[in-house]
Amino acid sequence: QSVLTQPPSVSGAPGQRVTISCTGSNSNIGAGYDVHWYQQLPGTAPKLLMYDNSNRPSGVPDRFSGSKSGTSASLAITGLQAEDEADYYCQSYDISLTSSGVFGGGTKLTVL
Amino acid sequence: QVQLQESGPGLVKPSETLSLTCTVSGGSVSSGGYFWSWIRQPAGKGLEWIGHIYTSGTTNYSPSLKSRVTISVDTSKNQFSLRLSSVTAADTAVYYCARVACSGGSCYTWFDPWGQGTLVTVAS
Repeated sequence: QSVLTQPPSVSGAPGQRVTISCTGSNSNIGAGYDVHWYQQLPGTAPKLLMYDNSNRPSGVPDRFSGSKSGTSASLAITGLQAEDEADYYCQSYDISLTSSGVFGGGTKLTVL
Repeated sequence: QVQLQESGPGLVKPSETLSLTCTVSGGSVSSGGYFWSWIRQPAGKGLEWIGHIYTSGTTNYSPSLKSRVTISVDTSKNQFSLRLSSVTAADTAVYYCARVACSGGSCYTWFDPWGQGTLVTVAS
């Protein structure tokens, strides 16, 4: 069981908008730790997609956006493209686990 | 830019110790303001944080692995290492090294960059 909860899968047609939720608790996201998101294409290492809840690293399209509220965060992808098909992970820290890094279980995005 | 590369045996016998090294290029493990981390991913499963080491040598480990994990840094080789003792089949995974940069007064930030990962199989 992951400390952060994500839906196992989401899907959408090209051009559509999808969101991926990341639900935590008062010992991680709700404790004030920021949320970061990673995209993992098949057979590759995770790549930073969003940092500090809503900031995009250089090179990440503005079709990707993030937000955080209370004990949850979400990643939104608009104008879905075939190349977005990947696994997405949220990440934060947990004060009840000696500030250990924690990940969501991952969400498989399928572009229909 | 900074690049990380994992190396080590791809096969470890049960009850033995897994040892991996992460070589840092384009930057220095001695530079202040960074945590050097290990993360693993069993096949078809999610990411699990193992632990990290600060440039000062201070470490923090996942509570679930703490009794078996040691992370160390070798500044002369610009490397940091992972040792996981008493391994079982459950420790079979792709192991990644990654860097965390302290930002805005916090070192509880994001992992970037990542190494390409190395598969370690625990089997006799």
